[in-house]
Amino acid sequence: DADVTQTPRNRITKTGKRIMLECSQTKGHDRMYWYRQDPGLGLRLIYYSFDVKDINKGEISDGYSVSRQAQAKFSLSLESAIPNQTALYFCATSDSGGARQFFGPGTRLTVL
Amino acid sequence: GENVEQHPSTLSVQEGDSAVIKCTYSDSASNYFPWYKQELGKRPQLIIDIRSNVGEKKDQRIAVTLNKTAKHFSLHITETQPEDSAVYFCAAKTGGGNKLTFGTGTQLKVEL
Repeated sequence: DADVTQTPRNRITKTGKRIMLECSQTKGHDRMYWYRQDPGLGLRLIYYSFDVKDINKGEISDGYSVSRQAQAKFSLSLESAIPNQTALYFCATSDSGGARQFFGPGTRLTVL
Repeated sequence: GENVEQHPSTLSVQEGDSAVIKCTYSDSASNYFPWYKQELGKRPQLIIDIRSNVGEKKDQRIAVTLNKTAKHFSLHITETQPEDSAVYFCAAKTGGGNKLTFGTGTQLKVEL
């Protein structure tokens, strides 16, 4: 079945380290998104991309960067991780014709 | 930007009872309203969605209603079952693209 996958699923790192979270999809969708989930705050948009040459900031992009390496791949980087970036990170995709978004399984990131 | 408020934050019902979760949005131009269900440790899954040209949509035991004048929409679950226990998120599509703004979630517990 077509799906959205994320690696790693869990990661523990230290303050100041660079870390990359990866997202791949076999849905054939053009649009990809990175969200952060914190208890009581819902899902907040970090970055999104509508095609390979398009990158847009979301509501909480500070401290993050992204790369859209191909239609099927969208990576999120933390250049210098800090403890308040400890959260659950989700990648999502949607096609250009609709608004329905489909989520990956998530990456639980802990920054010590 | 868009702001989505969701209430209640927690909801406990007896098995077989109905559950209602309400959301309000601020941007009158929003035209798409999905609901996601997130079970513990899992990814958010789309369970139902509605577009602004429709006032109500049903799918078996779940339904969504939309009041564009008041800028609010609600999720209704009838004949609740223990497997309905999860966190539910509402969202609204904002802007010209497919960005979603999420509510902060409702933890639904269905008690036996």
